Order: sequence, then structure tokens, then C-alpha cells
Amino acid sequence: GAGVSQSPSNKVTEKGKDVELRCDPISGHTALYWYRQSLGQGLEFLIYFQGNSAPDKSGLPSDRFSAERTGGSVSTLTIQRTQQEDSAVYLCASSLGTLGDLGGYTFGSGTRLTVV
Amino acid sequence: DQQVKQNSPSLSVQEGRISILNCDYTNSMFDYFLWYKKYPAEGPTFLISISSIKDKNEDGRFTVFLNKSAKHLSLHIVPSQPGDSAVYFCAASKPTNAGKSTFGDGTTLTVKP
Repeated sequence: GAGVSQSPSNKVTEKGKDVELRCDPISGHTALYWYRQSLGQGLEFLIYFQGNSAPDKSGLPSDRFSAERTGGSVSTLTIQRTQQEDSAVYLCASSLGTLGDLGGYTFGSGTRLTVV
Repeated sequence: DQQVKQNSPSLSVQEGRISILNCDYTNSMFDYFLWYKKYPAEGPTFLISISSIKDKNEDGRFTVFLNKSAKHLSLHIVPSQPGDSAVYFCAASKPTNAGKSTFGDGTTLTVKP
């Protein structure tokens, strides 16, 4: 597609349930990123994938969070046993490479997750 | 410890005037700096970037200035237009880990007609 596609756009889940968020990056983009934005806050780095390299998971807030990227394309962010503090907008982005060329990321519109 | 700070949560300017959005950072290892614009219910959109080898980068109505000694950057929009009304985020990253950006909390710009 022309842009980064995320699904679902909205997700309401009960505390304790698992959720999966999906990201379809721009075709040909080798780098894929997950960020989240809590209300009134900036974007918080979660994880990024670059080509076939091991992902940088240093931003994942707990072991309840995991992500994978299959075939160098689609990525899924999984949150197990959701908590209310997980409520946020989860943003996926992709880029041709990492920021060495200062080209910036292309973001999707995000998934608004609400844990009740 | 917030490493990238945008101290003004909001800014209001008149159409046609200059908008100046500021950003301060604390980590001297940051070498790449970017500005993004975000409209409600959309993802951020990349605007302009600068690396530390430059102190100014210009793209149309948008100019980013970097003062490395002061650990300060600013985004100038001239002339401001109502369509520029959005939340603006600055972001910084290190050359050793360019895939991981640290974002500020954003400044909401309102341009009044």
C-alpha cells in the first residue's frame, strides 16, 4: 500500500486479556518501529527491527510485551495480560533504513488501545 | 529523566507571522534531530531534520536551527498558515543507535486566521 497500515484502529479489551496489534509497513522499507503515546505524553520507543538483524527491544516496558516481524514485512505487537496502564495509542512506523540519512519515519495512524 | 524537552505545551500565533517552536535536550550523544507534525487521529508526519554537522536546515517555510553548545534546537515556520495548526514533536537519536528516537512531549501550535 501507499502508507503504513495498522489494525485495528481501536481496541477495547478487558484487563488481563491478551491483545495483538498489527502493522503493515511500506513495501521495501527495511526498518520497522513501534512507539506508543500515552495521553498528553510524547512518543515512547518500544522496539525496532532493521532488516535481518536482531531487533532492539530495549524499550519494551515489561515481559508482557513482545513483537515479531515475519518475512521482513508485517509486524505484530502482542501484549499479554493487559493492564490499565497499557492504555495508549500504539504507533507503527517504517523507513528505508535507520535515521542515518535523516529521512524520518513514516507513521501509521495508530491503534488506540483501551484497557477497562 | 526526560532527555528531550519541549517546555511550551502550546503556542498561538497569527496567520502570516512567524512560529518558533523550541526543543532542549540533555544527552550530548544525540546527533540527529527531527521534527514531526501530528494532526488529531493521525500518525506523526516527518517535517524536517538536521544533523550536528550543520546549524541550520531549510525547507520551504520550515527552518530548523541547532545550537549544539546550548543543546537547543528550534523550528521556525514563516509565514504561519492555519493549516499548520497541529502538535509538533522534536526527536533526537544517537549515531550509534539511529533506529531509536527519543521524542519530546510536543507543542500544540494554533495559527489564527
